[in-house]
Amino acid sequence: KAGVTQTPRYLIKTRGQQVTLSCSPISGHRSVSWYQQTPGQGLQFLFEYFSETQRNKGNFPGRFSGRQFSNSRSEMNVSTLELGDSALYLCASSATGALSNTEAFFGQGTRLTVV
Amino acid sequence: AQSVTQLGSHVSVSEGALVLLRCNYSSSVPPYLFWYVQYPNQGLQLLLKYTSAATLVKGINGFEAEFKKSETSFHLTKPSAHMSDAAEYFCAVRIMEYGNKLVFGAGTILRVKS
Repeated sequence: KAGVTQTPRYLIKTRGQQVTLSCSPISGHRSVSWYQQTPGQGLQFLFEYFSETQRNKGNFPGRFSGRQFSNSRSEMNVSTLELGDSALYLCASSATGALSNTEAFFGQGTRLTVV
Repeated sequence: AQSVTQLGSHVSVSEGALVLLRCNYSSSVPPYLFWYVQYPNQGLQLLLKYTSAATLVKGINGFEAEFKKSETSFHLTKPSAHMSDAAEYFCAVRIMEYGNKLVFGAGTILRVKS
């Protein structure tokens, strides 16, 4: 069974540009969550999608957005990039959306560097 | 509000020694607790989870954790450290009312000395 796949693994962008990151969850998983990891702030929750609907959102500016497709694949978009957006972006998938004891499986992440 | 505190951003042990990584949580309702491990430039891998079935939880790679409600703790232990255990460890809490959002501790970097 394939794991969570994130593409691309590495990305370099210039300030002011926008970027789209992709996440393919484990087959059969309908919940996809995104996290930002930085040395200063640690792991911060961005948002969660379940069955194409955003169900939960963290405290990030509107420049951060996402969506989920009918096949559960998810994309995350960051517009007007800032230097502070440089981070490892992690995607996690879960089997169901209702059970809090269900573990989240993480992808290897996309390392975004903004210059 | 839910939160997780990991005591000690860095822990150093000798190979073969006991590993103890501390995690305390704050939650007004019974939480679900998780420990994850992260190797350099990798994602997070689940070590174990507490879901109220048993207070002592065994995970992969010889790790285990004990849920102590009275102490609001979920410390991670391993009897004998191996060089391959060197990594960063994260404690996380999830509460049903917040959907699938995981709240992570700041992480503890484990160093294993030969």
